Amino acid sequence: KAGVTQTPRYLIKTRGQQVTLSCSPISGHRSVSWYQQTPGQGLQFLFEYFSETQRNKGNFPGRFSGRQFSNSRSEMNVSTLELGDSALYLCASSPDGKQNQPQHFGDGTRLSIL
Amino acid sequence: DQQVKQNSPSLSVQEGRISILNCDYTNSMFDYFLWYKKYPAEGPTFLISISSIKDKNEDGRFTVFLNKSAKHLSLHIVPSQPGDSAVYFCAATTFSGNTPLVFGKGTRLSVIA
Repeated sequence: KAGVTQTPRYLIKTRGQQVTLSCSPISGHRSVSWYQQTPGQGLQFLFEYFSETQRNKGNFPGRFSGRQFSNSRSEMNVSTLELGDSALYLCASSPDGKQNQPQHFGDGTRLSIL
Repeated sequence: DQQVKQNSPSLSVQEGRISILNCDYTNSMFDYFLWYKKYPAEGPTFLISISSIKDKNEDGRFTVFLNKSAKHLSLHIVPSQPGDSAVYFCAATTFSGNTPLVFGKGTRLSVIA
């Protein structure tokens, strides 16, 4: 069974640009969650999508947005990039989004802002 | 305000000995806890979990203990192996699973051969 796939693995952008990251969940999983990991900050929850609907949202500015397609693939978009957006962005999938069940993470997209 | 705290950024343990990783939480709403392990350049993987109706859960070399009154949990690894060297994250949610995971900042475990 293929795992969670995130593309691209690495990305370099400059301030003010926008970026789109992609996450393909495990087949059959309908929930995708996104996290930001910065040095020394752990994983911070961005949002969760289930069946194309955003069910939960973390405490991030509106520059961070996402969507989910009918095949459960999800994209995350960050507009007007700032230096502080440099981070590892992780997505995780699960069958039904229940957070008390193991979440299956991708290997992340490392975003660097110059 | 950090709701889940892992106060030790790093820990070094001799191979074969016990590793004890600690986690504290402040929000009484949390009643389900999970540990994830992360190797460099890989995503976190689920390790073990515990709900507040139990005070201990074992899975092979890994045991998680929960002290609800102290709002404290710990992960014990016995015996520690070099392959256990990784960053360990404690995460909290509710028993219903409807609340997003809140992660600690992680503890980097180094097991020395």
